[in-house]
Amino acid sequence: DGGITQSPKYLFRKEGQNVTLSCEQNLNHDAMYWYRQDPGQGLRLIYYSQIVNDFQKGDIAEGYSVSREKKESFPLTVTSAQKNPTAFYLCASSIVGDGTYEQYFGPGTRLTVT
Amino acid sequence: GNSVTQMEGPVTLSEEAFLTINCTYTATGYPSLFWYVQYPGEGLQLLLKATKADDKGSNKGFEATYRKETTSFHLEKGSVQVSDSAVYFCALSASGSARQLTFGSGTQLTVLP
Repeated sequence: DGGITQSPKYLFRKEGQNVTLSCEQNLNHDAMYWYRQDPGQGLRLIYYSQIVNDFQKGDIAEGYSVSREKKESFPLTVTSAQKNPTAFYLCASSIVGDGTYEQYFGPGTRLTVT
Repeated sequence: GNSVTQMEGPVTLSEEAFLTINCTYTATGYPSLFWYVQYPGEGLQLLLKATKADDKGSNKGFEATYRKETTSFHLEKGSVQVSDSAVYFCALSASGSARQLTFGSGTQLTVLP
């Protein structure tokens, strides 16, 4: 089955540690995205990538970093510089150029930093 | 800039009641419009979409019509079920190089038996 996988589902870290969230897709989509969701709020875009080896900052990129070395993979690193990292993180992907830019989402990773 | 305004929740209905969740948007050009649904602890699933004015998206008994004159995309269902309890997000994808999605804040729906 085609889809997006995110691992792990739950992640716990101590303050001051960097942590990397995994996102893999086998949909052959060119574009991939990372969103952050806080309780009772909508999704905010962290980073996106439309092609391998290229990515752009979204609305809340500070304290995060990404890489796109392969089409299938778009890992997100939450660095110690992110002031409030506890949140639900969602990865998505989409076709580029089909006219609708519908995004497909993974199941999410809930990160708790204490 | 682009923005989506959704009806604030939470919304609580009895089973078989009629549902409307309001969504209005501000965007340049001709955006595509989406409704996504999120069940507890899960990612978002596309519920329906519309890509041009007067299009009606529909799925699983839910409907929404793209109204350019009122910049709206209200979600409706004639008879809700307990299994429809979830958070519903309205979103748009506007003209631009990245076609990013802009989301509303979400509306929590609870359907009681």
